[in-house]
Amino acid sequence: GAVVSQHPSRVICKSGTSVKIECRSLDFQATTMFWYRQFPKQSLMLMATSNEGSKATYEQGVEKDKFLINHASLTLSTLTVTSAHPEDSSFYICSASTGETQYFGPGTRLLVL
Amino acid sequence: EDKVVQSPLSLVVHEGDTVTLNCSYEVTNFRSLLWYKQEKKAPTFLFMLTSSGIEKKSGRLSSILDKKELFSILNITATQTGDSAIYLCAELSGNTGKLIFGQGTTLQVKP
Repeated sequence: GAVVSQHPSRVICKSGTSVKIECRSLDFQATTMFWYRQFPKQSLMLMATSNEGSKATYEQGVEKDKFLINHASLTLSTLTVTSAHPEDSSFYICSASTGETQYFGPGTRLLVL
Repeated sequence: EDKVVQSPLSLVVHEGDTVTLNCSYEVTNFRSLLWYKQEKKAPTFLFMLTSSGIEKKSGRLSSILDKKELFSILNITATQTGDSAIYLCAELSGNTGKLIFGQGTTLQVKP
């Protein structure tokens, strides 16, 4: 089946630093990848849609300068949380689309101190 | 605005019980409806439904879609403690290719 990996799985950083999260589709090519954020006891909230070779499309209310997305190849997208603050602490999940179904990575838990 | 609503929001049952989880949706351009199971990590894919009335089955889990009434159900028979999780229903928009998630149903199966 389709496998999506994310790295790192967990990160703790100091306020003001930047954190990069990688999302890879391991056994298929994904022209579109999605980035979600999930707070405790809540459902997934879409942050942005990432298309290979073009700029990401951000959902309303998501700051594009704070959450930098790069989709350099058909198997890799990265999300960089710049100048992270404690309120950015969350569970960040990527998904890769086959066109019909989205497969999720295992998620990255970010804790900003 | 596209919307997905799940019910109940939480459910507690005992092992061996059968549960039915509900998902209703309002969308402008329906493409498919997907069910996911989420435990401690990210959601894992269960089913994708595109046609009405055709039941999809995987072991003790099954799901069906009604495109006329705009809802889907997920059934779990003979529940086990390992079925405890959040079950997410999502609609794949034909307009945007985005998944629109419901709030999820938290299922707890007690021994």
